[in-house]
Amino acid sequence: GAVVSQHPSRVICKSGTSVKIECRSLDFQATTMFWYRQFPKKSLMLMATSNEGSKATYEQGVEKDKFLINHASLTLSTLTVTSAHPEDSSFYICSSPRGTDTQYFGPGTRLTVL
Amino acid sequence: GNSVTQMEGPVTLSEEAFLTINCTYTATGYPSLFWYVQYPGEGLQLLLKATKADDKGSNKGFEATYRKETTSFHLEKGSVQVSDSAVYFCALSVGGTGGGNKLTFGTGTQLKVEL
Repeated sequence: GAVVSQHPSRVICKSGTSVKIECRSLDFQATTMFWYRQFPKKSLMLMATSNEGSKATYEQGVEKDKFLINHASLTLSTLTVTSAHPEDSSFYICSSPRGTDTQYFGPGTRLTVL
Repeated sequence: GNSVTQMEGPVTLSEEAFLTINCTYTATGYPSLFWYVQYPGEGLQLLLKATKADDKGSNKGFEATYRKETTSFHLEKGSVQVSDSAVYFCALSVGGTGGGNKLTFGTGTQLKVEL
């Protein structure tokens, strides 16, 4: 069964509004979570690394004021897309490492900004 | 920097056909290599991995061999099934086995297997 969940699975919002996406580890504690963005026919692009108890680490070119990340607990990280624009429409995926062997991915959230 | 290139899809095969999905990479450092699979409506799942040259990763009938000389990690399966229909992602990570390290992904290859 799934070990990482995301909510919502899809969301449609108006331009200028903010949208929050949740990523939860279901049966393990996740001190680190990764947030990816996937464009159609493109690879997953790492946006940021979310660390419980400290600030997120953003990849080059990702606006930290636009994509707010909060690692609220050992099982929850949230990504808030602020003042959303149509170009923010994308598929957002989180993942969390478990042990040293692999990462577990959430099912993704489809964001559509009108 | 690090990058992964994999063949564009979609790939459509008949059941029991042989599958190859090509993947090549460039990396700073010595990477670990992975294949992830994404079934419709689900999150990415690790299919197989290899952490050093000449290692062969295998799972569910899929195989891939870490070829350092050709910087490749091609995915193969001898006889595909309809249930193998999914999107397959080649990926690498440098500096560890992938557990807590950043992954660099290819663009994904959609596989459709028909009866």
